[in-house]
Amino acid sequence: GQNIDQPTEMTATEGAIVQINCTYQTSGFNGLFWYQQHAGEAPTFLSYNVLDGLEEKGRFSSFLSRSKGYSYLLLKELQMKDSASYLCAPRGYQKVTFGTGTKLQVIP
Amino acid sequence: EAGVTQFPSHSVIEKGQTVTLRCDPISGHDNLYWYRRVMGKEIKFLLHFVKESKQDESGMPNNRFLAERTGGTYSTLKVQPAELEDSGVYFCASSQGSGPTEAFFGQGTRLTVV
Repeated sequence: GQNIDQPTEMTATEGAIVQINCTYQTSGFNGLFWYQQHAGEAPTFLSYNVLDGLEEKGRFSSFLSRSKGYSYLLLKELQMKDSASYLCAPRGYQKVTFGTGTKLQVIP
Repeated sequence: EAGVTQFPSHSVIEKGQTVTLRCDPISGHDNLYWYRRVMGKEIKFLLHFVKESKQDESGMPNNRFLAERTGGTYSTLKVQPAELEDSGVYFCASSQGSGPTEAFFGQGTRLTVV
């Protein structure tokens, strides 16, 4: 089965750095996705990690530790438009399973 | 290039009625997924098509839900008869190839059963 745990809500200040953690237990692990979802919109792809370590992509970075079942999404130089839900999604043999998401609110 | 499109964007039906949701994946994407998000809960997997074949339908809640993918192109998800607990947002996603590639999501269909 799948078990994904991430904080429900976070608040951070514009220009700051925030780290969203995710722990997971899954059968047949084949990588982990992070998706961003603005209210009322479709989830959009942010990152994909399959090997341990940090993947950097502009203001967003994602880290994975397979042995610990742990990942985090790091957002730097926060902007107001970054206010959204961030979904941790480990991939099993074929399907992707989503966590409940972390609702991030960026304040001035 | 057109993204994943879903129709309708919203649907309000009465309990006991039938509703059919449609998803057009990105052209050339063999993998098509249906997900559902009920209010306050996580996005849950329903099923996965590879071309016209159902690869995994372990997430389908019960036999009131029927998904098809004619000719490996667009897919439909029929709910018959609809119940109140079926209300939520139904997302469709597609991806290319058999490897762990990213899935592109449609805008979703918001279904409200009253």
